[in-house]
Amino acid sequence: KQEVTQIPAALSVPEGENLVLNCSFTDSAIYNLQWFRQDPGKGLTSLLLIQSSQREQTSGRLNASLDKSSGRSTLYIAASQPGDSATYLCAVRRYDKIIFGKGTRLHILP
Amino acid sequence: ETGVTQTPRHLVMGMTNKKSLKCEQHLGHNAMYWYKQSAKKPLELMFVYSLEERVENNSVPSRFSPECPNSSHLFLHLHTLQPEDSALYLCASSQGRQGGRYEQYFGPGTRLTVT
Repeated sequence: KQEVTQIPAALSVPEGENLVLNCSFTDSAIYNLQWFRQDPGKGLTSLLLIQSSQREQTSGRLNASLDKSSGRSTLYIAASQPGDSATYLCAVRRYDKIIFGKGTRLHILP
Repeated sequence: ETGVTQTPRHLVMGMTNKKSLKCEQHLGHNAMYWYKQSAKKPLELMFVYSLEERVENNSVPSRFSPECPNSSHLFLHLHTLQPEDSALYLCASSQGRQGGRYEQYFGPGTRLTVT
């Protein structure tokens, strides 16, 4: 049974710092891994999708990597800003099984 | 309207009521999803529809009844709910399902409170 873990559960960093969020999964047989952000009481915004054959994806200040063999993905945020404060979720997919982690709640201190 | 919309945004219902949640996607996608997000728990996938056919049902109680009349609309019919069903219900869509290249796009959610 696939399990997805995100560590840490919460993180506070000063504005301007680079930071890394972690996502691990127990079954490497996945189609893709997707990173989302969620603002309080809102829906999810897709950030990056990495297919199982890919190693990383980049969008602006965000870079996500995938190491399928070790069951790990990281989301790197460069030069963090207060607007980056949100909960970041990762999800892995195989067929129609989509499993989410509990998320990392990120707070960027001005 | 763009993206994925959900109505209502907030709903309070008694345990004996019947209500429906509506989702509409304006992206031309072929697959739609219902998720439940409870406090302190990960998002849980409830149902998956592909071209109006239900392809996944994750052991959801029968008091939740989905309906997909066409590829743009998805409903979740609710009846005889329990207080533990209070949660944020999220709808999502994707262009396809097979393989790994299809991103999911989410709506804003319906905050449901069962009293």
